[in-house]
Amino acid sequence: EDQVTQSPEALRLQEGESSSLNCSYTVSGLRGLFWYRQDPGKGPEFLFTLYSAGEEKEKERLKATLTKKESFLHITAPKPEDSATYLCALRTPGGYSTLTFGKGTMLLVSP
Amino acid sequence: NAGVTQTPKFQVLKTGQSMTLQCAQDMNHEYMSWYRQDPGMGLRLIHYSVGAGITDQGEVPNGYNVSRSTTEDFPLRLLSAAPSQTSVYFCASTRDHLGTEAFFGQGTRLTVV
Repeated sequence: EDQVTQSPEALRLQEGESSSLNCSYTVSGLRGLFWYRQDPGKGPEFLFTLYSAGEEKEKERLKATLTKKESFLHITAPKPEDSATYLCALRTPGGYSTLTFGKGTMLLVSP
Repeated sequence: NAGVTQTPKFQVLKTGQSMTLQCAQDMNHEYMSWYRQDPGMGLRLIHYSVGAGITDQGEVPNGYNVSRSTTEDFPLRLLSAAPSQTSVYFCASTRDHLGTEAFFGQGTRLTVV
C-alpha cells in the first residue's frame, strides 16, 4: 500500500531562516510525487511534480528534490507570504490521475 | 478563468438530511475527483471519474454517491447525512491520466449536526 509521511507536522521560522520539509514515501512503482501548497480556507495549489530520483525543480524560494525514499521541499530565505500548509502526494496506481496525500506540514514564517 | 467551482462554500445539515455538493470545471478536463479533508487525516479520495458516464470508488466512498453526465459537472450526493461526514470537501480536475497538475476548487465546509 502506498504511504506518504510528512515531517515535521508544524514548523515555525523567522523570515530569512532557510529550512527543509520532508516527505517520506513507500510505493510499488513511483508514477509521480507532487507538492502542493494550501492556504487557510482554500484548495491545494500545485507546486511541483517529480518523477525520478535525482530530479530537482525550483520555483522562486522553493526547491523540491527527490530520492528513492524521500522528497524534500527546501525553502530558502522564506518570507511571511510563504506561510501555508505544504502537502506531499503520490499518484495512485492503476493509471488514474488520483492522489494519495500526506497529512501536510504547516509552515509559519514570522517577520 | 473560473477553473474548478464548488458550491455551496458552507452548509449545515441535520442528521438524516440529503444534499448535493456541486462541482463544475471549465477546462474540458477528463478526470474529476472528490476528496474530503479532516484534521489530522489529510486529504482522502471519495470518488473519481475518468470521463462522462464513468465513475469509481476511492478510499472512503461509503455514504456518498456520484454521477458524471457531462464533462463539466461532477456532483457529490449525501443521501442521509451523518455527523461523521462533517468535513471540508474538495473537488479536483486533471486534464487526463497523464496530467501532472490537479486543479482544486475552493472547498465546501459541511457540518452535520
